[in-house]
Amino acid sequence: DAGVTQSPTHLIKTRGQQVTLRCSPKSGHDTVSWYQQALGQGPQFIFQYYEEEERQRGNFPDRFSGHQFPNYSSELNVNALLLGDSALYLCASSLGGPGTALWEQYFGPGTRLTVT
Amino acid sequence: SQQGEEDPQALSIQEGENATMNCSYKTSINNLQWYRQNSGRGLVHLILIRSNEREKHSGRLRVTLDTSKKSSSLLITASRAADTASYFCATHRSGGSYIPTFGRGTSLIVHP
Repeated sequence: DAGVTQSPTHLIKTRGQQVTLRCSPKSGHDTVSWYQQALGQGPQFIFQYYEEEERQRGNFPDRFSGHQFPNYSSELNVNALLLGDSALYLCASSLGGPGTALWEQYFGPGTRLTVT
Repeated sequence: SQQGEEDPQALSIQEGENATMNCSYKTSINNLQWYRQNSGRGLVHLILIRSNEREKHSGRLRVTLDTSKKSSSLLITASRAADTASYFCATHRSGGSYIPTFGRGTSLIVHP
């Protein structure tokens, strides 16, 4: 039973560029949440996708957008990259949409994004 | 903003010793969870304690919650080198959404 997978593992981009990160949820899960974790900080909730729609959103600008596909996998897109976007981006999957309790989320290993 | 704040920021101990980490938060909560993260990788859920509970145990882990002081503690007994990781508390606010708020974490190093 595959857990949550994320790609790529590492990524280096230049300021102003755009980036797409990918997440495949744990088998049987239909909800995907994305988190940003800056160095030395705890994860911060970006948004959550369920039934191919954004259901909840944290305090992140519109430069951060996402998508969920019919197979429940998800993408996180960040436009006009800033140096401050350098972070570990974590994906977490769960079952049942916005009411899913945090402790029922399974986290992926993350994508390390470096913006130069 | 960070709802929970862990203390200390870093902790270094010898194998076999106990490790205690604390978490303080600002607003009323429904529950609080502790997570472990190894080397900047994914988070692993350790234990959940609800607002009407005062103490929970799971193996070598003991969590306490004091809602009057808005604080929680995580005790790891008989620590092992494999316990080396960062530990985070996360909260759900009362009456709020299921958006979790994490603290900055405690970095624990257990020396063999």
